[in-house]
Amino acid sequence: DTGVSQNPRHKITKRGQNVTFRCDPISEHNRLYWYRQTLGQGPEFLTYFQNEAQLEKSRLLSDRFSAERPKGSFSTLEIQRTEQGDSAMYLCASSLMAAHKNIQYFGAGTRLSVL
Amino acid sequence: GESVGLHLPTLSVQEGDNSIINCAYSNSASDYFIWYKQESGKGPQFIIDIRSNMDKRQGQRVTVLLNKTVKHLSLQIAATQPGDSAVYFCALKPGYGGSQGNLIFGKGTKLSVKP
Repeated sequence: DTGVSQNPRHKITKRGQNVTFRCDPISEHNRLYWYRQTLGQGPEFLTYFQNEAQLEKSRLLSDRFSAERPKGSFSTLEIQRTEQGDSAMYLCASSLMAAHKNIQYFGAGTRLSVL
Repeated sequence: GESVGLHLPTLSVQEGDNSIINCAYSNSASDYFIWYKQESGKGPQFIIDIRSNMDKRQGQRVTVLLNKTVKHLSLQIAATQPGDSAVYFCALKPGYGGSQGNLIFGKGTKLSVKP
């Protein structure tokens, strides 16, 4: 399978703990995105990378959130000192940068539950 | 800021009938639009896209219509099948002055197909 891969699929943690999620994009894609989705809502943009450069961060991305893409391939999203409000599905997507188009292909997501 | 809204949160159709899912947006500068399908426990799956210089685009059993005058987008599914049951999201690229990376998603319409 050459789609976007996310690990783990599910994560249960206690409030105050740190968690890290990993995303492996489609191999030739130079852009990688992180979104958050809560129940009954559409995905909300968090941040995106072009190669290894983090080009944009949403206001949703508090100081407790950090994302990296050190070699321009896989990416990690870390949440420090988790809060119950962080419980959500964290989606990763990747795309090929192209003028006027932005087909983003999504992974299956990591579902985070903060107890 | 940009907003995207679905006209109906749920839609129920009979198998074999045509389905129409509608979406409205607020920013006339938006230049690219996408429809995604999300099944339970999975990430959003790309269905079809359309650029703002087009009014209509057809895929396999799906058609997207764009009316820039009233800022309205629709997805038509022909001969709806049980496998089409899912939540459908419209999403857009904000266009000039907005982010050039992320997509803005609506809340989604849940399509249920009755056999």
